[in-house]
Amino acid sequence: DSGVTQTPKHLITATGQRVTLRCSPRSGDLSVYWYQQSLDQGLQFLIQYYNGEERAKGNILERFSAQQFPDLHSELNLSSLELGDSALYFCASSVDPDRAKNIQYFGAGTRLSVL
Amino acid sequence: SQKIEQNSEALNIQEGKTATLTCNYTNYSPAYLQWYRQDPGRGPVFLLLIRENEKEKRKERLKVTFDTTLKQSLFHITASQPADSATYLCALDDGSGAGSYQLTFGKGTKLSVIP
Repeated sequence: DSGVTQTPKHLITATGQRVTLRCSPRSGDLSVYWYQQSLDQGLQFLIQYYNGEERAKGNILERFSAQQFPDLHSELNLSSLELGDSALYFCASSVDPDRAKNIQYFGAGTRLSVL
Repeated sequence: SQKIEQNSEALNIQEGKTATLTCNYTNYSPAYLQWYRQDPGRGPVFLLLIRENEKEKRKERLKVTFDTTLKQSLFHITASQPADSATYLCALDDGSGAGSYQLTFGKGTKLSVIP
């Protein structure tokens, strides 16, 4: 058990809908990262938050947004969903963004199916 | 453009042999390189981190080398066991972006250890 909790485990929804994925980082970790993993693209970095502030953005679509709350949990919002958004979404956390300690601990993921 | 390539999508090896996985990169100057293990339907799990000024790192049956001239890392599992069967991902911290230490992952090599 990595200590990172993601809910829900599975999500089935229709095109055009909006969903929210939730992540609770390991106790004491200030950084949260979101990734998307599909079969053909591998693990793609979406966005990073550190202590409530956005720190880095990767290949995140404009239809997607995220935030990190004062209690350090994070939510990833996906809107106007398309079939191609079906994927595994992972959250990871690390103790701080010090490069030497940037070991990331991953949650079990949320499997999103857009029908 | 930046690219991370892991030598093959799949690698089959006999139990007891040494498995060697390759990670090559172009147009990166990573300060660190990491290896993760991912089992089907689960989040990646950190295995080893090696710094740019380190040639080799070991942990039990695992060994990682890092050659910044060749732009390559090798990941070895000695005395492989069926329980080592998983997908192995290499990840680079490309050293860019102040305060942002996002990792870029390769697509992974699926290792199967045959009894």
